[in-house]
Amino acid sequence: DVKVTQSSRYLVKRTGEKVFLECVQDMDHENMFWYRQDPGLGLRLIYFSYDVKMKEKGDIPEGYSVSREKKERFSLILESASTNQTSMYLCASSFPPGGPGETQYFGPGTRLLVL
Amino acid sequence: AQSVTQLGSHVSVSEGALVLLRCNYSSSVPPYLFWYVQYPNQGLQLLLKYTSAATLVKGINGFEAEFKKSETSFHLTKPSAHMSDAAEYFCAVCKRSNTGKLIFGQGTTLQVKP
Repeated sequence: DVKVTQSSRYLVKRTGEKVFLECVQDMDHENMFWYRQDPGLGLRLIYFSYDVKMKEKGDIPEGYSVSREKKERFSLILESASTNQTSMYLCASSFPPGGPGETQYFGPGTRLLVL
Repeated sequence: AQSVTQLGSHVSVSEGALVLLRCNYSSSVPPYLFWYVQYPNQGLQLLLKYTSAATLVKGINGFEAEFKKSETSFHLTKPSAHMSDAAEYFCAVCKRSNTGKLIFGQGTTLQVKP
């Protein structure tokens, strides 16, 4: 079974803090993704990576950065947390198109509260 | 640009009744289409996907969806709802490119009444 793990299920931070969210997958997937999930808005893509040290902006990258130093690990960084970044953050991974399919496998999510 | 619209943010059915969750997409070329389910306090799990084989796709837990190109729809159905089906359901579209990016709909919360 594919496993995608996220470092924390719940996180409480103060405004202005630097926040690191970690995601690890064990299926040797090339693609990894970070989404935020807000009620009524579905999932919105923040950043994705299709290879080590490669990254591309998604639809809402402002206020975030990412790091992918190893294939299995993809980190989301909030440089200076703000209250409007209170949300559920979901990490996902997949093989690239043309491989075994487009299915994205999701972690359990990190619910972040910024005070 | 691709987009996905899920009609109805909340759907309520009785146990044993038909489940119908609607999804319409916008895409200039036939895309890949997905339905994911999210149970409370969990990540998303794939229910089924359409990747250009049979237009009627069967998934897990008795769900199925039919790709209708003429209607640009990919509605999710289940003949008989079970209490355990209560969850949030997301439709998603993927452009056939080399990135595998998904675009999600807003989600539909399914409530199942006893």
